[in-house]
Amino acid sequence: QLVESGGGFIQPGGSLRLSCAGSGFTFSSYSMNWVRQAPGKGLEWVSYIGNSGRPIYYADSVKGRFTVSRDNGEKSVYLQMNSLRDEDTAVYYCTRDLRSYGLDVWGQGTTVTVSS
Amino acid sequence: QSVLTQPPSTSGTPGQKVTISCSGGHSNIGSDFVCWYQHVPGTAPKLLIYRNDERPSGVSDRFSGSKSGTSASLAISGLRSEDEAVYYCAAWDDSLRGWVFGGGTKVNVL
Repeated sequence: QLVESGGGFIQPGGSLRLSCAGSGFTFSSYSMNWVRQAPGKGLEWVSYIGNSGRPIYYADSVKGRFTVSRDNGEKSVYLQMNSLRDEDTAVYYCTRDLRSYGLDVWGQGTTVTVSS
Repeated sequence: QSVLTQPPSTSGTPGQKVTISCSGGHSNIGSDFVCWYQHVPGTAPKLLIYRNDERPSGVSDRFSGSKSGTSASLAISGLRSEDEAVYYCAAWDDSLRGWVFGGGTKVNVL
């Protein structure tokens, strides 16, 4: 199970930190991703982090503004979002990554609204 | 603009078979496995197909996937009202170093 938290309403240029807590599996064995869905749009991959914290990859749309990290002791993955823009408004999901076996576990999502 | 291309919608009557196409390139579908996800608004997306044509435990055998070259498809046979959802294809892109998704296909059961 994955449970996201930390979403909310924020003004453009602001910062938010999303958290995702895992349970029911050996968290440290799995790579994780953040995927988002903007209102009326499809799914968009945001970031990937390997099981030990490396490698790390970002979508071009968030590179330089978002930072992904994890704490395997806390069984959690985080997404630090800075310099937020209107177009970052979305439901953010964390997902477990089995690569060729797919993104097999998804959280319920946390909503981020960026607006003045 | 999504890296993978899907039709925006398709429709069918109960019991019919519908097929959703997904077109990509050499750096994603052409070089890696394809997955399919079912997304009902307000819920978490659900993994439907992995490694092109395999179903996770608990997924109905009415759902089947296939891949050829840089394209893939999802077929839903014996269409049911509960199949109304948005379906996404996805693959890892070696050039972009990330997951790429199709734009999603809304399946309507008439």
